[in-house]
Amino acid sequence: DVKVTQSSRYLVKRTGEKVFLECVQDMDHENMFWYRQDPGLGLRLIYFSYDVKMKEKGDIPEGYSVSREKKERFSLILESASTNQTSMYLCASTTTVGAYEQYFGPGTRLTVT
Amino acid sequence: GEDVEQSLFLSVREGDSSVINCTYTDSSSTYLYWYKQEPGAGLQLLTYIFSNMDMKQDQRLTVLLNKKDKHLSLRIADTQTGDSAIYFCAESRTGGGNKLTFGTGTQLKVEL
Repeated sequence: DVKVTQSSRYLVKRTGEKVFLECVQDMDHENMFWYRQDPGLGLRLIYFSYDVKMKEKGDIPEGYSVSREKKERFSLILESASTNQTSMYLCASTTTVGAYEQYFGPGTRLTVT
Repeated sequence: GEDVEQSLFLSVREGDSSVINCTYTDSSSTYLYWYKQEPGAGLQLLTYIFSNMDMKQDQRLTVLLNKKDKHLSLRIADTQTGDSAIYFCAESRTGGGNKLTFGTGTQLKVEL
């Protein structure tokens, strides 16, 4: 079974803090994604990576950065957390062939106060 | 830009059929997907349909695709309380990278 794990289920941070969200997958997938999920807005793509050290902006990259130093790990960084970044963050991975099923982690609910 | 739309809520009685609808915008999408999200969990792929198909059936699930109207639906037969969840449709994007565009999600509530 594919497994995507995220470092925390719940996180509370203060405005201005630097926040790291970690995601690890164990299926040797090339592609990894970070989304945020907000009620009524669905999932919105923040960043994705199609290879080690490669990254591309998604639809809402402002205020975020990412790091992919190893194939299995994709990190989302909030350089200076703000209250409007309070959200559920979901990580996903997929291979490059086939129907591109994305496998999701359980999510991190981040609250910025 | 790309937009995938769904109604936000659906309520059905246990044993009835549920139909969740979705409209998408990218006529060149290769695959269209239905994902399920149970409370407190990530998304899990339920089923997908290739864009040259009109229908796909998988046990209690039936997916219908109307390419002319860019309309996708998911029918769940004999809906059970365990089917209560948020259902997302998604389309594959053009331009590669295996990116998907997700809809807003439909909260399905199954009542006894």
